[in-house]
Amino acid sequence: GEDVEQSLFLSVREGDSSVINCTYTDSSSTYLYWYKQEPGAGLQLLTYIFSNMDMKQDQRLTVLLNKKDKHLSLRIADTQTGDSAIYFCAESGTASKLTFGTGTRLQVTL
Amino acid sequence: NAGVMQNPRHLVRRRGQEARLRCSPMKGHSHVYWYRQLPEEGLKFMVYLQKENIIDESGMPKERFSAEFPKEGPSILRIQQVVRGDSAAYFCASSPVAGTEAFFGQGTRLTVV
Repeated sequence: GEDVEQSLFLSVREGDSSVINCTYTDSSSTYLYWYKQEPGAGLQLLTYIFSNMDMKQDQRLTVLLNKKDKHLSLRIADTQTGDSAIYFCAESGTASKLTFGTGTRLQVTL
Repeated sequence: NAGVMQNPRHLVRRRGQEARLRCSPMKGHSHVYWYRQLPEEGLKFMVYLQKENIIDESGMPKERFSAEFPKEGPSILRIQQVVRGDSAAYFCASSPVAGTEAFFGQGTRLTVV
């Protein structure tokens, strides 16, 4: 079955860039997503990328996709304390359901 | 256009009771998905419904769990005879077309005591 893996924790200083990585196994993935979850809250869709794209930039967010290696990354430029949250990578293949990673907890320190 | 609305936000049930979780999709969205998030874990797919039809229930436990999305009204996730292990956050998402970006509700946090 599909599997999505992420590192569990990342700590960065305010103002630095954060890079959150994700690997997936489903070669038929059509969309890959990044969601943000703050404590006790729902999921906020940050950005997504079609599988035929290599990169997508949206303000402070840059998504890189290496389809050959099935590797997805999310770069947050000029990380702020408000970016502290759990970030989930997810993929959808030929089915409509999303397969989520376990989430990366981003801690931003002053 | 209101987002995906879930209610209640918090639900406490005693072991053996029934839990009913409601989800109203975004306007114009006919595809609904339910996910469960256990403490300190990612979200796991449960079921995918399109108006009046269950399309994919591969993530649903075989017993005690059921879901529906009637022609009128919200989608309902029903858990009968709840056990402590059912304590989790249950999220609903909706999309206008299958396979496109899904928008999530705030979730229902079920606590079984």
